[in-house]
Amino acid sequence: GEDVEQSLFLSVREGDSSVINCTYTDSSSTYLYWYKQEPGAGLQLLTYIFSNMDMKQDQRLTVLLNKKDKHLSLRIADTQTGDSAIYFCAESTMTGTALIFGKGTTLSVSS
Amino acid sequence: DTAVSQTPKYLVTQMGNDKSIKCEQNLGHDTMYWYKQDSKKFLKIMFSYNNKELIINETVPNRFSPKSPDKAHLNLHINSLELGDSAVYFCASRSVDSTYNEQFFGPGTRLTVL
Repeated sequence: GEDVEQSLFLSVREGDSSVINCTYTDSSSTYLYWYKQEPGAGLQLLTYIFSNMDMKQDQRLTVLLNKKDKHLSLRIADTQTGDSAIYFCAESTMTGTALIFGKGTTLSVSS
Repeated sequence: DTAVSQTPKYLVTQMGNDKSIKCEQNLGHDTMYWYKQDSKKFLKIMFSYNNKELIINETVPNRFSPKSPDKAHLNLHINSLELGDSAVYFCASRSVDSTYNEQFFGPGTRLTVL
């Protein structure tokens, strides 16, 4: 069955890089996403990657995809206190059915 | 100019009651979803719906039912509320023509069952 795994917590200091990892099981996943949830708020799409790509860079965000190992990572450069949130990895298939989410990684940034 | 809106934002009710949560999207999307986020922040799909098909997650009790009066709305009705229904419920929508299948989420409704 489909399953998405993430480590639950990550703590970094302001200015450092953060790397959040995710593994997924559905090899038919077409798109993989990173969503951000700030306390008491809804989900905001941060970035996505198509399954035929290895890397995508968007300002401070770098997404790496290893399709062979079904491993996805999100790197946040120069992490700021405003980056403190829960980060969810998610997958979907080409037919665009519902997103399958990981359990979320709580990123804590200390100054 | 809110894209996906939900009402109410907070809902506190007694066990056994019946309640509804409303969702509206003004994006012209054709597919809508309900997700449940439990106290551990785990997010699970409950329903996906377009004008052709309702897909139900088999783990969702039949006390939960989505109702779509039109393409812009997908409301969630819950009968005989139980303590375990306490959670944050998120509505989302998507266009079938979307390039990368992005789903847009509402702000969530925090349901507390006493």
